[in-house]
Amino acid sequence: AQRVTQPEKLLSVFKGAPVELKCNYSYSGSPELFWYVQYSRQRLQLLLRHISRESIKGFTADLNKGETSFHLKKPFAQEEDSAMYYCALSSSGNTPLVFGKGTRLSVIA
Amino acid sequence: NAGVTQTPKFRVLKTGQSMTLLCAQDMNHEYMYWYRQDPGMGLRLIHYSVGEGTTAKGEVPDGYNVSRLKKQNFLLGLESAAPSQTSVYFCASLDGRFGSSYNEQFFGPGTRLTVL
Repeated sequence: AQRVTQPEKLLSVFKGAPVELKCNYSYSGSPELFWYVQYSRQRLQLLLRHISRESIKGFTADLNKGETSFHLKKPFAQEEDSAMYYCALSSSGNTPLVFGKGTRLSVIA
Repeated sequence: NAGVTQTPKFRVLKTGQSMTLLCAQDMNHEYMYWYRQDPGMGLRLIHYSVGEGTTAKGEVPDGYNVSRLKKQNFLLGLESAAPSQTSVYFCASLDGRFGSSYNEQFFGPGTRLTVL
């Protein structure tokens, strides 16, 4: 069974501090992994997907198959990064996503 | 392009009432999904569709029905609403055809439903 675990419900950091949002997954095959972000009262939007290996808004995430992790990182947090972050997994390009329970990031000025 | 839209934005129901939530997308996407979002539970898949005329159950389908009569619309129905169905409902669509964004789900703005 596919499963995504985000161990932190809430993560608070000071502005300018590094951020790491943890995501671990359980899947026997080769997964596709995503990070979605939801700003206050807004719709979810794609932040990153591992297959494109891009950096968006200063965030990066590396798929570590050995540790089955896809942690989201940013070297210097900004107040506008405060949001709910969801890690998600797909077993293939168009199968339904399995979401983690989310981590709320709060960046303190 | 409006993207993914949802109607209504808010609704309050009494226990036992029925309603239909409408999701529409103008991107010619094949796949559509309904999720519910609850505090501490993340997003859970209710039903989904892989094309016009098809539907399939997700993780939490009980108490809901869906229809995809037209490719651009995906309807979510509650036949007899219960307080446990109080939630925020999100619709999403996905292209499904190979390309740069073929596996990106696009979400609607959500419908906040309260069942009293």
